[in-house]
Amino acid sequence: SQKIEQNSEALNIQEGKTATLTCNYTNYSPAYLQWYRQDPGRGPVFLLLIRENEKEKRKERLKVTFDTTLKQSLFHITASQPADSATYLCALPDEYAGNNRKLIWGLGTSLAVNP
Amino acid sequence: GAGVSQSPSNKVTEKGKDVELRCDPISGHTALYWYRQSLGQGLEFLIYFQGNSAPDKSGLPSDRFSAERTGGSVSTLTIQRTQQEDSAVYLCASSPAGTGRQPQHFGDGTRLSIL
Repeated sequence: SQKIEQNSEALNIQEGKTATLTCNYTNYSPAYLQWYRQDPGRGPVFLLLIRENEKEKRKERLKVTFDTTLKQSLFHITASQPADSATYLCALPDEYAGNNRKLIWGLGTSLAVNP
Repeated sequence: GAGVSQSPSNKVTEKGKDVELRCDPISGHTALYWYRQSLGQGLEFLIYFQGNSAPDKSGLPSDRFSAERTGGSVSTLTIQRTQQEDSAVYLCASSPAGTGRQPQHFGDGTRLSIL
């Protein structure tokens, strides 16, 4: 079955630096992959979706890459700010089906941006 | 508001009692999901509703758990004869009709504590 692995250790970086978070999957390459942000006591908030035929997707200071050979997605935050501190979750469909609506989720990586 | 609304935000109850958790999805969203999130665990899929189709109940952990969605809108998750291991945050999400590539919009969850 598909498994998602995200860095379990918290990532601490200095304000202004680029944060890079990793999402690895173990089985089939999914048709797409989603990234969410979750703050303490809140529900996850959608950030970006990248499709299997896209190498890279950008939104403001955020960039996501998708490498089906490595079975990996990288999530980058450039010019990081303390407000970017949160847990970032990776999610992908639970079977290779473009219309499948069920997602499986990584445990998330906690990011702390220090001023 | 325009977002997903869940109530109550917190619920403390004694072991053996029944609880009902409510979710108001975004208007017009035909897909509705329930998840459970325990400390240190990823989001665990419970049940999925899509329009008038039969719900996907494959994630419900036991027959003590049930959910319904009335009129294609509001959903209620019921846990009967609660156990201490049911303590978790229960999250609801909705998404528009279409493929699974649609992002999920989450409420802030109900934090359930079983004494």
